[in-house]
Amino acid sequence: EVQLVESGGGLVQPGGSLRLSCAASGFTFSSYSMNWVRQAPGKGLEWVSYISSSSSTIYYADSVKGRFTISRDNAKNSLYLQMNSLRAEDTAVYYCARGPTPAAIGGNWFDPWGQGTLVTVSS
Amino acid sequence: DIVMTQSPDSLAVSLGERATINCKSSQSVLYSSNNKNYLAWYQQKPGQPPKLLIYWASTRESGVPDRFSGSGSGTDFTLTISSLQAEDVAVYYCQQYYSTQFTFGPGTKVDIK
Repeated sequence: EVQLVESGGGLVQPGGSLRLSCAASGFTFSSYSMNWVRQAPGKGLEWVSYISSSSSTIYYADSVKGRFTISRDNAKNSLYLQMNSLRAEDTAVYYCARGPTPAAIGGNWFDPWGQGTLVTVSS
Repeated sequence: DIVMTQSPDSLAVSLGERATINCKSSQSVLYSSNNKNYLAWYQQKPGQPPKLLIYWASTRESGVPDRFSGSGSGTDFTLTISSLQAEDVAVYYCQQYYSTQFTFGPGTKVDIK
């Protein structure tokens, strides 16, 4: 069974840092691109960042560019999101989500998703 | 960035009736070289993460009931639930992956009338 389990969320002060992790199992992690997507309380979905299977291609949403860093460790089947200079508007549930099968060239839909980890930025 | 809009914001449909959700992109998400529309649909039930329903605008994900269907091309897309079931109460989102600034629509809430 494919599983994605996020961790690392919590309460942090504005300007602070946090590192999220996503542990993957049940599939060949090194073959798939991965993403972070967030959802502010009671709001819609916002894509945050993408990383290709080999880490050679990385994209960020404009709202987090220069503050967040995505990375992965294929040997550990893990995805990370380093978040610096956090702002109140970064408060959200952060989901890790797998990209499509490698055969789906050009596609970047999200399936499956983890259960999410809540990040709260507040003083 | 490609801006995604959805209509209506919410709708209430009787059990067994059809529900139709519209999604519009600010620019075409049809890639001419492969004639594919770079659009997906998701369902999010309360307290759960989103679940993929449709990709390439009309390809149903494995395991998704066939009462869910996607259609449209270019900038205008539709998700149809042909016969609404109680378990379909959720918020539905469209998402484009044509641009590398991947964007979602604001969501449409579906309830039972």
